Amino acid sequence: AQTVTQSQPEMSVQEAETVTLSCTYDTSENNYYLFWYKQPPSRQMILVIRQEAYKQQNATENRFSVNFQKAAKSFSLKISDSQLGDTAMYFCAFINFGNEKLTFGTGTRLTIIP
Amino acid sequence: EPEVTQTPSHQVTQMGQEVILRCVPISNHLYFYWYRQILGQKVEFLVSFYNNEISEKSEIFDDQFSVERPDGSNFTLKIRSTKLEDSAMYFCASRGGAKNIQYFGAGTRLSVL
Repeated sequence: AQTVTQSQPEMSVQEAETVTLSCTYDTSENNYYLFWYKQPPSRQMILVIRQEAYKQQNATENRFSVNFQKAAKSFSLKISDSQLGDTAMYFCAFINFGNEKLTFGTGTRLTIIP
Repeated sequence: EPEVTQTPSHQVTQMGQEVILRCVPISNHLYFYWYRQILGQKVEFLVSFYNNEISEKSEIFDDQFSVERPDGSNFTLKIRSTKLEDSAMYFCASRGGAKNIQYFGAGTRLSVL
């Protein structure tokens, strides 16, 4: 069974600092995709970043980057120069290639302090 | 930018009543999904739908649930006889073909009294 583990239920950092959110996953497959979704107080799930398992290069999207360690099954999210608008629940998610079901972690509530 | 639209944003119903949650996926997308999130818990997959049929469903998606794409734009989730434990946020998602990215709507909060 696929599982996604986020070991940090809550985190807080000062505005403009860098923060790293942890995620580990478990799968027996070799081809899959990993995602970080953001859920602000408005509750909408917004895609932050996506990583394909066959790509060694870590994905980056502006201030957001990942550290993908396939052997360790680790997929952490780094937010640089954090902003107040980054305050949200962050979910790590996983899907096997060819499947339809996204499996989510329990989330990390991130608060950016002014 | 195209987005997934869900209506209503909040639905209140009595236990035992039928509810229909509505979604308008992104227009050129072919794959459609429903997920739910009970308050304080993780997001859980319910069902996926492609080519007018269910392609995958979870153990949560029992006979009380059904999905339909009644026309070219809407995708609905019906709960036949709601229970208290059906109270949750229900998210619709859709994706196109290539990048395996599911785009989510803002959700419908279902409150069963």
